[in-house]
Amino acid sequence: DAKTTQPNSMESNEEEPVHLPCNHSTISGTDYIHWYRQLPSQGPEYVIHGLTSNVNNRMASLAIAEDRKSSTLILHRATLRDAAVYYCIPSISNFGNEKLTFGTGTRLTIIP
Amino acid sequence: DAGVTQSPTHLIKTRGQQVTLRCSPKSGHDTVSWYQQALGQGPQFIFQYYEEEERQRGNFPDRFSGHQFPNYSSELNVNALLLGDSALYLCASSLALAPGELFFGEGSRLTVL
Repeated sequence: DAKTTQPNSMESNEEEPVHLPCNHSTISGTDYIHWYRQLPSQGPEYVIHGLTSNVNNRMASLAIAEDRKSSTLILHRATLRDAAVYYCIPSISNFGNEKLTFGTGTRLTIIP
Repeated sequence: DAGVTQSPTHLIKTRGQQVTLRCSPKSGHDTVSWYQQALGQGPQFIFQYYEEEERQRGNFPDRFSGHQFPNYSSELNVNALLLGDSALYLCASSLALAPGELFFGEGSRLTVL
């Protein structure tokens, strides 16, 4: 499994953009990059995933470096509900039978 | 549409006992995966069930076993409980052979005394 490095914690002001970085320098050329988040007292929830190009959905954007050794999850306008632990997870597929290898993630605190 | 449901939400056991945790997947999903999350850590993959068989297994001892029923629901059994088994046990459901995310339940919090 590819190893990931994420900051232990980050803070951001409410209603401002948040950029959550992830280094995955050992990723293979065909690994997908998934992001999940875990709100307090809940199970993880899917945020976004991508392979080579930048991706957008209603929750966030994912910017993937050209060499694919790093990626950044972008929350365009943070709300208090975005306070969670964010996990960056490389995996060999985006199929439902893929096991996910979670690290310790980044704990995001939103300041009102 | 109910998501992934797990039961019980909390339980307390003593060392040496056995525990069974239950999971009902999201409607339409055929695959159930189980994860263990210790306090302050990310979830760790235990095993995955598809077509009533264990398809993948993480680095967990044989004390951890499971089952999947014809209706796709699943059970996680842990025998000879140790203090270190205290954790949040998460169930995730998905479609095995289609692109898509995992949907997690809220977990069962197990405390071993």
